[in-house]
Amino acid sequence: EAEVAQSPRYKITEKSQAVAFWCDPISGHATLYWYRQILGQGPELLVQFQDESVVDDSQLPKDRFSAERLKGVDSTLKIQPAELGDSAMYLCASSLELGGVGVTDTQYFGPGTRLTVL
Amino acid sequence: KNQVEQSPQSLIILEGKNCTLQCNYTVSPFSNLRWYKQDTGRGPVSLTIMTFSENTKSNGRYTATLDADTKQSSLHITASQLSDSASYICVVSGRGNNRLAFGKGNQVVVIP
Repeated sequence: EAEVAQSPRYKITEKSQAVAFWCDPISGHATLYWYRQILGQGPELLVQFQDESVVDDSQLPKDRFSAERLKGVDSTLKIQPAELGDSAMYLCASSLELGGVGVTDTQYFGPGTRLTVL
Repeated sequence: KNQVEQSPQSLIILEGKNCTLQCNYTVSPFSNLRWYKQDTGRGPVSLTIMTFSENTKSNGRYTATLDADTKQSSLHITASQLSDSASYICVVSGRGNNRLAFGKGNQVVVIP
């Protein structure tokens, strides 16, 4: 069964350093999402792409976070500089259609990248 | 204010026993509700999805119910197994809204 791939699985960095996460969605999925999940909380949407275009980045801290999906396939999320409060699980998800909210559509999540900022 | 509230926050159950998790939501107008299972250190995996007209949906030992009038859902786990230890997240989508509303999850620990 096709899966969403993410790397690295774990990342430890010092504050003020730059970090980058990579995501490869399920083949053919037009929509890609980046979420941040703090321990004990539900995922929080950071950015949503439809093909290569950003559809929703209203909750992305743009002073330090950036995301791109240049060819409309895989995507990179970057944090520069990292802060202590950025320690969290970063989840990537993909869906066939926009939003993944319809009855016949589902968001499929990758295994996540666990970021620890020291 | 969170649009999806789950209870209990966490629970411990003996292997073989049943348990029920609760989800209350305020998302309106309502489209559908999903329950996801998230193993520790992994991404969430969809278990069930229900629309306004459905009041029950099963997936193996997992049975979800929905009362759209009271905006409540439950997830019942029958004959729990050690592998059921996970966080169960209630996710609601509204009609005309492309963003999902996530609960904080019910943390279930099954002990032998």
